[in-house]
Amino acid sequence: QTVVTQEPSLTVSPGGTVTLTCASSTGAVTSGYYPNWFQQKPGQAPRALIYSTSNKHSWTPARFSGSLLGGKAALTLSAVQPEDEAEYYCLLYYGGAQVFGGGTKLTVL
Amino acid sequence: EVQLVESGGGLVQPGGSLRLSCAVSGFTFNSYWMHWVRQAPGKGLLCVSRIDGDGSSLSYADSVKGRFTISRDNAKNTLYLQMNSLRAEDTAVFYCARGVGAWGRYYDGMDVWGQGTTVTVSS
Repeated sequence: QTVVTQEPSLTVSPGGTVTLTCASSTGAVTSGYYPNWFQQKPGQAPRALIYSTSNKHSWTPARFSGSLLGGKAALTLSAVQPEDEAEYYCLLYYGGAQVFGGGTKLTVL
Repeated sequence: EVQLVESGGGLVQPGGSLRLSCAVSGFTFNSYWMHWVRQAPGKGLLCVSRIDGDGSSLSYADSVKGRFTISRDNAKNTLYLQMNSLRAEDTAVFYCARGVGAWGRYYDGMDVWGQGTTVTVSS
């Protein structure tokens, strides 16, 4: 069974920078896994942020960026705002299946 | 404005059936992959099913294969999920989501999501 692993929780100060990662149980994550990133706030539907590793949607704030880092997919938030406090999910492609990570709860404190 | 609006959720007994609908507007529906994603209470996201623009390519998570059927009516701009033989573990919020890009690849992911509809399976 394929497992996608994210940090369960991270804390960042307002104005700071934080990187969330997304690892695969099958090995290094590459662009061929087409990583996606989503933000979900309590009681709301997920909102797409990044697709195909680093591509932003038209609504994605500039402070969000996607990349590959040390064999993982990564989402970096720069100049973090209080409204960035949320759960963040990655999604990876496995040749037919798409698997979400367990999510990272980001606290802005 | 692109909109996806789910409906059809509710309380159903184990073994029962429900049909979820996702009415879309604001884009050329038949040009997009569409996905159903669910979220059990307090849990993460799970891809349930997906369908291509003309309904010829379907895929299901192992946990729902043989019980759920995805379909679409492009004339009505509506996506469906027929759920049979429901189990307690199917209790979740079900979201429909649009695939990224017209005539895109399903593995590019999802961009626009609906607000979700809640399915509760309990006696």
